[in-house]
Amino acid sequence: EPEVTQTPSHQVTQMGQEVILRCVPISNHLYFYWYRQILGQKVEFLVSFYNNEISEKSEIFDDQFSVERPDGSNFTLKIRSTKLEDSAMYFCASSEAQRTSNEKLFFGSGTQLSVL
Amino acid sequence: AQSVTQLGSHVSVSEGALVLLRCNYSSSVPPYLFWYVQYPNQGLQLLLKYTTGATLVKGINGFEAEFKKSETSFHLTKPSAHMSDAAEYFCAVRNSGGYQKVTFGIGTKLQVIP
Repeated sequence: EPEVTQTPSHQVTQMGQEVILRCVPISNHLYFYWYRQILGQKVEFLVSFYNNEISEKSEIFDDQFSVERPDGSNFTLKIRSTKLEDSAMYFCASSEAQRTSNEKLFFGSGTQLSVL
Repeated sequence: AQSVTQLGSHVSVSEGALVLLRCNYSSSVPPYLFWYVQYPNQGLQLLLKYTTGATLVKGINGFEAEFKKSETSFHLTKPSAHMSDAAEYFCAVRNSGGYQKVTFGIGTKLQVIP
């Protein structure tokens, strides 16, 4: 089965630093997502992206966050100035289409971000 | 708005015993319901989903779930637990219209005791 690839698997950073989490979605997919899971809490939706723009975002996704598809294959999540509470597992997902019931999200294995 | 409640953040069963993981949802429109599984150090994998039609849905690895509208439930079951079933299981809901924003429950860690 095709895979969504995320790099790195673990990222450690100092508070206030910028981080970029990288994802390579499945090649024919058009819709891209970021979710995160803080330890012990539920998986939370951050943002969805289609046609080179954000289609929906949650209240978590504030001005410190941005997403980009810089080269047609990678899909990145940037956190401008990390805070301790940004420590979480970040999941990238992609889907071929969005509105039909038969579409499913393919998730990557996640990037564990630790902010010190 | 949509939400999911999973009862029991940790469930332990003996190998060969019935697995029952509970999920209740709320949704203002007919929902699509999902169970995802997360094995250690891996991403989320879709186990099964309900969209329309038959309310009893079968998934991979012998799991099944039944959509009960009157109870707003979508419990996950497996008749006989296997050691390889040890993982974290997430129930999720998505509205049948609109964008595919999926709302997850908090997850249930399943432990299988030999």
